[in-house]
Amino acid sequence: GENVEQHPSTLSVQEGDSAVIKCTYSDSASNYFPWYKQELGKRPQLIIDIRSNVGEKKDQRIAVTLNKTAKHFSLHITETQPEDSAVYFCAASSNQAGTALIFGKGTTLSVSS
Amino acid sequence: GAGVSQSPRYKVAKRGQDVALRCDPISGHVSLFWYQQALGQGPEFLTYFQNEAQLDKSGLPSDRFFAERPEGSVSTLKIQRTQQEDSAVYLCASSSGLGASSYEQYFGPGTRLTVT
Repeated sequence: GENVEQHPSTLSVQEGDSAVIKCTYSDSASNYFPWYKQELGKRPQLIIDIRSNVGEKKDQRIAVTLNKTAKHFSLHITETQPEDSAVYFCAASSNQAGTALIFGKGTTLSVSS
Repeated sequence: GAGVSQSPRYKVAKRGQDVALRCDPISGHVSLFWYQQALGQGPEFLTYFQNEAQLDKSGLPSDRFFAERPEGSVSTLKIQRTQQEDSAVYLCASSSGLGASSYEQYFGPGTRLTVT
């Protein structure tokens, strides 16, 4: 089955710096890759996703890139702000609606002002 | 609009007790998922419903775990004879199951279960 590895497990940056979180997956059938942000005690929130027919997607300060050949995808946050501090999870699933998401172990991002 | 809701938000059970966790998905969402999130880990899949049909229960850790969605909307996850290793946050997610947005899963706030 699918296995998703996520790095780093913790990331500390200064406000205004960029942050990059990387994930690799094992199943070549996976073609949907969402990213979730989870604040302490809160629900995971979908912040951006990408499908395998595109290599990059951007939404304001966040962007995701996908390399299907290498089976890895990354989250890029520019101009980080203290409110970006949270745990970020990447996930992967195959190309059918209703397929379970397989999550990475998460990255704790701390943005200091 | 209303998102996914779950109740109770917190549940403390003595070892051996049965518990029932409720999920109200986004109205009209066809797909409903249950995940288990241990402390410091990512969510792990438990089971999936399409309307009232349970199409995948491969993630349920034992036969003490049972889920249902009898009318294709509200779902209940039941854990019988709870054990300490069942302590976790139980998350429910729903997706429309239709069209281009069919993949997007929206999560509820979770139920934190503590077994003492």
